[in-house]
Amino acid sequence: AQSVAQPEDQVNVAEGNPLTVKCTYSVSGNPYLFWYVQYPNRGLQFLLKYITGDNLVKGSYGFEAEFNKSQTSFHLKKPSALVSDSALYFCAVRVPISSGSARQLTFGSGTQLTVLP
Amino acid sequence: DVKVTQSSRYLVKRTGEKVFLECVQDMDHENMFWYRQDPGLGLRLIYFSYDVKMKEKGDIPEGYSVSREKKERFSLILESASTNQTSMYLCATRSGAGEQFFGPGTRLTVL
Repeated sequence: AQSVAQPEDQVNVAEGNPLTVKCTYSVSGNPYLFWYVQYPNRGLQFLLKYITGDNLVKGSYGFEAEFNKSQTSFHLKKPSALVSDSALYFCAVRVPISSGSARQLTFGSGTQLTVLP
Repeated sequence: DVKVTQSSRYLVKRTGEKVFLECVQDMDHENMFWYRQDPGLGLRLIYFSYDVKMKEKGDIPEGYSVSREKKERFSLILESASTNQTSMYLCATRSGAGEQFFGPGTRLTVL
């Protein structure tokens, strides 16, 4: 079974400082990894994904994430946080197996990011 | 841009009612999903469909059913609504590249 852990329910950071939102995963096989963001009263928006290749993935709104296979982590980062980055962030994993049940994403519990002005 | 629409943003129903949540996508994606989102639990998959008339149970299918008669439409049905089904319901589709596209969500309250 695949699983995702986001160890922090809440992350606070000052505007202009770097931010990190942590994610670790557990799968059998090579994972597909995703980050999504949810603004208040909205659906989830795709930020970035890792499928294969370069371990550092760049995504929307200046976010990036680093795939670390040895630590089974996929932390989300941004060099300089904005107040508008305040939102709920979800990490997700999928294993690319052909069987129907493996088409699903498994999501973490979410991390609420608050950027303080 | 992919557009995923859900029939209602807010819905209030009474215990025992049959509830229909509709989701429509405009990008011809084969895979569609229904999740519920609860604080501290993240998103949990209820059902998904990988083709017309095809469906598979997700992690929490009990008390729910789905219908996919046309490729663009995926319906979630609560056969007899209960208060523990009060939640945010999110529909999503998936592109060939793997990322999922979500609708705005339906916040369902069951009284």
